[in-house]
Amino acid sequence: DAGVIQSPRHEVTEMGQEVTLRCKPISGHDYLFWYRQTMMRGLELLIYFNNNVPIDDSGMPEDRFSAKMPNASFSTLKIQPSEPRDSAVYFCASTSSGGLGEQFFGPGTRLTVL
Amino acid sequence: TQLLEQSPQFLSIQEGENLTVYCNSSSVFSSLQWYRQEPGEGPVLLVTVVTGGEVKKLKRLTFQFGDARKDSSLHITAAQPGDTGLYLCAGGAGNMLTFGGGTRLMVKP
Repeated sequence: DAGVIQSPRHEVTEMGQEVTLRCKPISGHDYLFWYRQTMMRGLELLIYFNNNVPIDDSGMPEDRFSAKMPNASFSTLKIQPSEPRDSAVYFCASTSSGGLGEQFFGPGTRLTVL
Repeated sequence: TQLLEQSPQFLSIQEGENLTVYCNSSSVFSSLQWYRQEPGEGPVLLVTVVTGGEVKKLKRLTFQFGDARKDSSLHITAAQPGDTGLYLCAGGAGNMLTFGGGTRLMVKP
């Protein structure tokens, strides 16, 4: 299995630009999570999906952030417009409801907003 | 809101020393997981404990879940430079995890 795949691995953009992060979960996993990690705040849950349906988006910082999961093998996290305070590493993780809740993380996307 | 407090936040030791990392909460969790994260990578699961009082060993790493399922500890014996990384505990409730702030460990040769 290829594991969770994220793209791009690095993204540098200017303030005000739109940013789209992509994730392919592990095949067969029915839960998908988006996290943000910073030195100050650690690993924060932004939103999670079950069977492609958003379940809890209370961690999404503001309306500039949106996430979609059009099918079981693909999800996007979009920031529009981006701001310097959005700079962080964004992780996607997936898990199966049949397990003990162990989450498998992708390698992350390091976002820098100038 | 369930919170997990990890201590210490930073730990720098010499190769061969022993160390313990703590993870505490006022909430009860159905499971407690430990992850290790290396620079430039995502967290990787080390172990899951589900029963109060449970102890699991993974080579030189010993994990314990508190009797009340509110706290956990990770003990590393004879630390090696390869143990360097960020250690995260995570409390499970259903299929969601609440992560602690992490312990950043550096083992010097």
